[in-house]
Amino acid sequence: DGGITQSPKYLFRKEGQNVTLSCEQNLNHDAMYWYRQDPGQGLRLIYYSQIVNDFQKGDIAEGYSVSREKKESFPLTVTSAQKNPTAFYLCASSPRLGSMNTEAFFGQGTRLTVV
Amino acid sequence: RKEVEQDPGPFNVPEGATVAFNCTYSNSASQSFFWYRQDCRKEPKLLMSVYSSGNEDGRFTAQLNRASQYISLLIRDSKLSDSATYLCVVVLYSGAGSYQLTFGKGTKLSVIP
Repeated sequence: DGGITQSPKYLFRKEGQNVTLSCEQNLNHDAMYWYRQDPGQGLRLIYYSQIVNDFQKGDIAEGYSVSREKKESFPLTVTSAQKNPTAFYLCASSPRLGSMNTEAFFGQGTRLTVV
Repeated sequence: RKEVEQDPGPFNVPEGATVAFNCTYSNSASQSFFWYRQDCRKEPKLLMSVYSSGNEDGRFTAQLNRASQYISLLIRDSKLSDSATYLCVVVLYSGAGSYQLTFGKGTKLSVIP
């Protein structure tokens, strides 16, 4: 089955530690996105990538880093510099670059808690 | 003014009622529009695209008003299973052949027996 997979579903991290969230898609999509969602809040864009080896900061990139070495994969690292990392993280992908009428498909999300 | 604004609700409606949500967007160059549905603690899923001519899918009707820069979602004959948060999504060309999706904060709907 084609889809977008995030892992793990739940993640606990100690303060001061970096942690990497995985996002893999086998939909052959060019564009991939990372969003953060806090309780009662909408989705805020962290980073996005429209093509391999290229990515851009979103609205709240500070304290996060990404890589896009393969089309299928867009891992997100939450660094110790992120002051309030506890949140629900959603990865999404969408088809061809330049396709304005295409939807975004989401992974099931990773719920990160800092303890 | 925020890029995409929605009434957060909650909208509490009885089964069988008709309910409408609006979403306003600030950038007149926005090019395409969607409604997503998000269940509690789940990922958003596409409900329907929104076209200039309006479109209908069963009990759901979406409309776009470019002049006033808003989109709407109408749900007729509400079911308990319609209870969810509805997210408005606006797509804007961000240059160099790329498009950026901007999400509203969502409108929460609770359908009551």
